[in-house]
Amino acid sequence: ETGVTQSPTHLIKTRGQQVTLRCSSQSGHNTVSWYQQALGQGPQFIFQYYREEENGRGNFPPRFSGLQFPNYSSELNVNALELDDSALYLCASSAAEQGSSGKLFFGSGTQLSVL
Amino acid sequence: QKEVEQNSGPLSVPEGAIASLNCTYSDRVSQSFFWYRQYSGKSPELIMSIYSNGDKEDGRFTAQLNKASQYVSLLIRDSQPSDSATYLCAVKAGMASKIIFGSGTRLSIRP
Repeated sequence: ETGVTQSPTHLIKTRGQQVTLRCSSQSGHNTVSWYQQALGQGPQFIFQYYREEENGRGNFPPRFSGLQFPNYSSELNVNALELDDSALYLCASSAAEQGSSGKLFFGSGTQLSVL
Repeated sequence: QKEVEQNSGPLSVPEGAIASLNCTYSDRVSQSFFWYRQYSGKSPELIMSIYSNGDKEDGRFTAQLNKASQYVSLLIRDSQPSDSATYLCAVKAGMASKIIFGSGTRLSIRP
């Protein structure tokens, strides 16, 4: 168990809808990263939040957005869902302070299906 | 060119043998290197990290790093059926940088 929790575990949406995924980070971690993992592929970096600010973004369109709250929990929002957005969405927390390893600890993921 | 490249496999290894997994990366300023194991239907779990050139051993696992060749490897000794999983190589450039994953190598240990 990593202490990172994600909700919901599964979600079914239709094309064009909007979705919000949630993540609670491990105690002591101030950084949250979101990844998209399609079947048979490695996790693709979406973005990272550090102390409530976006701190790096991957090659994803603006309809993918996020938030980090003062308690370091985070949300991933996806607007105008497309069929290709169907994937496992992984949240990972880490500590970004000097001297930390930067290791990622993953939640169990949210499986999103877009019909 | 992909930032982190791995052979997708599947790599089939007999039980008790050594499994060797390889990874190359493109960003020369990369500083931190990780191996994650992902069982089917589960999320990735960290099994090894390495930060300096050479070998790092932890139980049956050895990570090897060669920054000049931009190459990272993972050796699994005395392979067990429970080692059957996808192994993800991941690379981080600096303290506040994102971690980039390869596409993973699927490992199958045959009894």
